[in-house]
Amino acid sequence: AQSVTQLGSHVSVSEGALVLLRCNYSSSVPPYLFWYVQYPNQGLQLLLKYTTGATLVKGINGFEAEFKKSETSFHLTKPSAHMSDAAEYFCAVSDLSGGNKLVFGAGTILRVKS
Amino acid sequence: EAGVAQSPRYKIIEKRQSVAFWCNPISGHATLYWYQQILGQGPKLLIQFQNNGVVDDSQLPKDRFSAERLKGVDSTLKIQPAKLEDSAVYLCASNPLGSSYEQYFGPGTRLTVT
Repeated sequence: AQSVTQLGSHVSVSEGALVLLRCNYSSSVPPYLFWYVQYPNQGLQLLLKYTTGATLVKGINGFEAEFKKSETSFHLTKPSAHMSDAAEYFCAVSDLSGGNKLVFGAGTILRVKS
Repeated sequence: EAGVAQSPRYKIIEKRQSVAFWCNPISGHATLYWYQQILGQGPKLLIQFQNNGVVDDSQLPKDRFSAERLKGVDSTLKIQPAKLEDSAVYLCASNPLGSSYEQYFGPGTRLTVT
């Protein structure tokens, strides 16, 4: 069965500092991996995804993530945080054994301090 | 293109009452999903449709929850009777076939059961 663990339910960074949100997954077959962002009272918006090919994936708003199979990780990073990045971030996994179903982590709330 | 539409956006009911949520996916998207997002948790899949057929409803509490997608387009999720623990945001998502699993989410319906 697939599962996702996001380390840290809350992360706080200063504006301009590096953002690092951690995600580890469990999957018995090669996974597809996703990061979604959720702003208050809104649905989820896709930031980036890894399916096959290049393991460093670039997404919207300057975010990127690297798929590391040996570490079963897919951490999300951004070199310089903006106030507008404050939101909740969800890592999700999907694979062929689970159909199209997305299994989400519990989420990490990112706070950006001025 | 128009996004996934959901209504109502907010609903407050008393326990043991019934409630229904509506979702209209992006035009042409064959697959539709309903997720339940309890406060502080990631979304959890309730049911997945492909066209008007059910693909996965293994996590749907069938004694009180039901869903339909009669014409393979819009969908309705119903709860009858509601319990306090059903308080959550109900998210609808869709994707076309062969889309590398990316799902497009609606804004959600926030249900409060008192």
